[in-house]
Amino acid sequence: DAGITQSPRHKVTETGTPVTLRCHQTENHRYMYWYRQDPGHGLRLIHYSYGVKDTDKGEVSDGYSVSRSKTEDFLLTLESATSSQTSVYFCAISSEGNQPQHFGDGTRLSIL
Amino acid sequence: QKEVEQNSGPLSVPEGAIASLNCTYSDRGSQSFFWYRQYSGKSPELIMSIYSNGDKEDGRFTAQLNKASQYVSLLIRDSQPSDSATYLCAVKPNFNKFYFGSGTKLNVKP
Repeated sequence: DAGITQSPRHKVTETGTPVTLRCHQTENHRYMYWYRQDPGHGLRLIHYSYGVKDTDKGEVSDGYSVSRSKTEDFLLTLESATSSQTSVYFCAISSEGNQPQHFGDGTRLSIL
Repeated sequence: QKEVEQNSGPLSVPEGAIASLNCTYSDRGSQSFFWYRQYSGKSPELIMSIYSNGDKEDGRFTAQLNKASQYVSLLIRDSQPSDSATYLCAVKPNFNKFYFGSGTKLNVKP
């Protein structure tokens, strides 16, 4: 199994609070991704990174920011959480070329 | 138009039958294609990769790719109840982006 660890695995918080989710990899892969998955919408890309300090927006980036200060860590921050950001969040990694993505176990985030 | 289209299902097949899952994509230049299986409450798990036209077999799974018609399919032979899951088709048109279909839910009835 790909060495991907997401933390926390579950979190319940209140509207307006900041939230940071962490993705840690041990594969030394260049590319890291954050998705959210909601019923009826499938996997939607939030942000991705193609190297240390190199990030780009996905299709649903509003309200989210990311940082990657080390190859192995990719952080997703909700600056001021809203109920619409209640979701399951998956981190994924990929290496160069035509290689697939591998996913972490996910974080279930509930915002009340 | 979505980048990757899948029938959401559910697709119901009896145990032992062949399950056929289909996917179409819009970027004609795409070169890499993947099938993932996702059990309820779990993360997507890679089951097949295919890069060339034709069939690729791995155990009970066969992936089929037709770039001219822009479709990818997954056949599951001798379907088992444990195959009941949502199957996601993914297309990689370039080296850093992936596009996922919304998934087809498969139910295999004992």
